[in-house]
Amino acid sequence: SYELTQPLSVSVALGQTARITCGGNNIGSKNVHWYQQKPGQAPVLVIYRDSNRPSGIPERFSGSNSGNTATLTISRAQAGDEADYYCQVWDSSTAKVFGTGTKVTVL
Amino acid sequence: EVQLLESGGGLVQPGGSLRLSCAASGFTFSSYAMSWVRQAPGKGLEWVSAISGSGGSTYYADSVKGRFTISRDNSKNTLYLQMNSLRAEDTAVYYCAKEGYDCSSTSCSSDFEYWGQGTLVTVSS
Repeated sequence: SYELTQPLSVSVALGQTARITCGGNNIGSKNVHWYQQKPGQAPVLVIYRDSNRPSGIPERFSGSNSGNTATLTISRAQAGDEADYYCQVWDSSTAKVFGTGTKVTVL
Repeated sequence: EVQLLESGGGLVQPGGSLRLSCAASGFTFSSYAMSWVRQAPGKGLEWVSAISGSGGSTYYADSVKGRFTISRDNSKNTLYLQMNSLRAEDTAVYYCAKEGYDCSSTSCSSDFEYWGQGTLVTVSS
């Protein structure tokens, strides 16, 4: 089965840049989607197909994907960006898979 | 405005059954794949099942295959999840999600564009 690995936690200073990685075998050949989930709330799509932002998502959120690692980048981090973040792909053998999730803390 | 409203959650004994529903509005329901995603207390997201816009293609996580059945009624704009032989490990908040586009003939690789607020399923004696 296909697995996606994320760091358990990432800390970032207010106004600085946070990078959240998502590792998977040849993930660069897949479309990667990213979700933000705040406590007690449903997830929200923040990046789709590697690097596309849905309407209403700030430009501070960006994504990239190559080789065995996809990355979600949050620029100029704000207190409101504190949340859990999940990557997600489709794999032909496993169907839809979520990453293990990363808790982002803004210091 | 897209709206997804789940219902049907509750407390059920191990081995029991439950049917979840998701009422959709604000988009052409039959044109999009739909999924169920769950989240156990304090845990991460786990995809459960997906269905194509026509209902002709369905996909399941190994953890629920043979026990859960996804279906949809496009005339009622409603998605369903029939859950049988429930186990304690099925305890979770279950989210209904609209996908960004429909499945192709060979894959269902879209993102989860919109999510409902979830319904809690508790499996316990």
